[in-house]
Formats: sequence, structure tokens, C-alpha cells
Amino acid sequence: QKEVEQNSGPLSVPEGAIASLNCTYSDRGSQSFFWYRQYSGKSPELIMFIYSNGDKEDGRFTAQLNKASQYVSLLIRDSQPSDSATYLCAGPLRGGSARQLTFGSGTQLTVLP
Amino acid sequence: GAGVSQSPSNKVTEKGKDVELRCDPISGHTALYWYRQSLGQGLEFLIYFQGNSAPDKSGLPSDRFSAERTGGSVSTLTIQRTQQEDSAVYLCASSPGRGPYNEQFFGPGTRLTVL
Repeated sequence: QKEVEQNSGPLSVPEGAIASLNCTYSDRGSQSFFWYRQYSGKSPELIMFIYSNGDKEDGRFTAQLNKASQYVSLLIRDSQPSDSATYLCAGPLRGGSARQLTFGSGTQLTVLP
Repeated sequence: GAGVSQSPSNKVTEKGKDVELRCDPISGHTALYWYRQSLGQGLEFLIYFQGNSAPDKSGLPSDRFSAERTGGSVSTLTIQRTQQEDSAVYLCASSPGRGPYNEQFFGPGTRLTVL
């Protein structure tokens, strides 16, 4: 079992809708999670991180962490065509140092105008 | 401030040749990571440097791959006797390496093509 899994996708939503991206993780002790956005042909860009249970909001983005159910999600409100990208979820690497991350395989999001 | 920089941005080489890829981390960041991303694939961890500690090389796919970090700053990833399966984008990331936050910031990558 991969430590961080992103099973959904590709995902298409109409412009203005809410896009919901999900990630599950296997290590119950994991404390921190990150969402990266990667445009085609570009490198990953950090957009959100979350360390505590519950929701964290930043503009149109909301990260949610549910430690009991071991999932992390990213909600994008009022989706725009410019949000079309691959979104990578990352969490601590089990057995690695606290500074190492393991990445999910990504969810490709397309926002249709 | 300046972000992570990598050079070259593109490298085309012939099978069997050696290549060197360079990474300049964000100033003051003590942690540095190398990843590989093949077309349409996720990020594959290669190696991790933290300060002056011995690097974690557990992700290097073969002994043809090596990396060093001089003076705790610039890092070079070397691939010897390149093979076609080495073709990928090589990404470098850095992180502050201290405090509770370990978010990583990525450079633009080096696209390696082995003919």
C-alpha cells in the first residue's frame, strides 16, 4: 500500500464550481500534509499545508485533514480555468526523517470554461 | 527572494555519456532533495541532504547515480553511463530544515533526454 494515495481523477468541473480533491494516507502517526499544484511542463508549486485536524482556508482554497479517517482533501471554490493542473498530495515519508515527504501520484483537474 | 534554481534546463545526451545536473537551493535552506519525474508519472525520491549529515541515498536507482553537496549549499547530481530509461525531468527542492515546518520548494527542473 502506498503511503499517500490519490485514487480519483482525472476530474473535470465547470467554471465556478467547487473542485474536491482527495488523498488518503496509511501512517496514522502522520502530522503534516501538503498540496502542490503542477501545471503541465512545470515544477510543483506549494499551495497549501495543514498540520492540525480540521479545515484551513486560504482564499479560494480549503485544506481539510481528518486524522481519524486518515484522509486529506483540497477544495477549490469558484474554480477557474487557470486552476487546471495536476494536484499532488504529500505527507511524511514513513521510516524517513521528519524532513522527507512522500508524494501521491496526483489528480489531474480540468476546469471547463 | 530567489527561489531554487537548476541548470541546465534541458540536456540532451547520447547513451553511455555522463551528465551533471546542478541545483542551487534557496539561501539558508539546509535541506535539499532530488526527485525524478518521468512523463505523466509521480515524483520519485532520489536523495536527501540535511546540513552536514550523511545523505539519505536510499532512492538512488543504481550505482550509476551519485550526488554531492558542497559547502552545504549547491548540489550536483551525476549520472554515469546514461541509459535511455534515465530520460526524465530531474527536480531539486529545498526546505528550511528546521522548526516544525518541512514544506519543500521546487526548482524548475532539468529535462534530460538520452538518445
